[in-house]
Amino acid sequence: EPEVTQTPSHQVTQMGQEVILRCVPISNHLYFYWYRQILGQKVEFLVSFYNNEISEKSEIFDDQFSVERPDGSNFTLKIRSTKLEDSAMYFCASSDSTANTEAFFGQGTRLTVV
Amino acid sequence: RKEVEQDPGPFNVPEGATVAFNCTYSNSASQSFFWYRQDCRKEPKLLMSVYSSGNEDGRFTAQLNRASQYISLLIRDSKLSDSATYLCVVGRGNTPLVFGKGTRLSVIA
Repeated sequence: EPEVTQTPSHQVTQMGQEVILRCVPISNHLYFYWYRQILGQKVEFLVSFYNNEISEKSEIFDDQFSVERPDGSNFTLKIRSTKLEDSAMYFCASSDSTANTEAFFGQGTRLTVV
Repeated sequence: RKEVEQDPGPFNVPEGATVAFNCTYSNSASQSFFWYRQDCRKEPKLLMSVYSSGNEDGRFTAQLNRASQYISLLIRDSKLSDSATYLCVVGRGNTPLVFGKGTRLSVIA
């Protein structure tokens, strides 16, 4: 069964450092997303990406965040200068359509900022 | 008012019990509805989509009431492996999915 894969599974970084989280969406999907989940809280939308550009972003996705699809398979989330409050699980997801279809999630990257 | 609200639980039920979870959503323009399951520190996994006519998948039954903006999930004959957090998820056309905080279920032997 096709799946979304994310690397690394766990990343520890010092405050102020840059991190790049990587995702390989399901191959025939066209829409890609990043969500995050702070421990004990709900899954929150960060950004959606379609046709090589951001289609929507939340208020969480400020100037320190960026996304890129550097080649035909990878989808990355960069956090430029990490803060303690960026510590969370970051989930990549993909879907074959935005119109009323489900999204499939990767196993997540646990980011710990120290 | 939160966009998707769920009773956080926990629901502690014995094996074999029937348990029901409820969810309300605030945006009447919502068009797609799902139940996801999330195990501790794992990714959300789609359990089932929810249709206006209601739908069933084995021991799981989902219902949607658009007039009341209410979604339910019924689990019959609970198994130990059903222990997880159940996320109510709502979508609206081309906008990203909105998640409830989840309802925690513990099935006890």
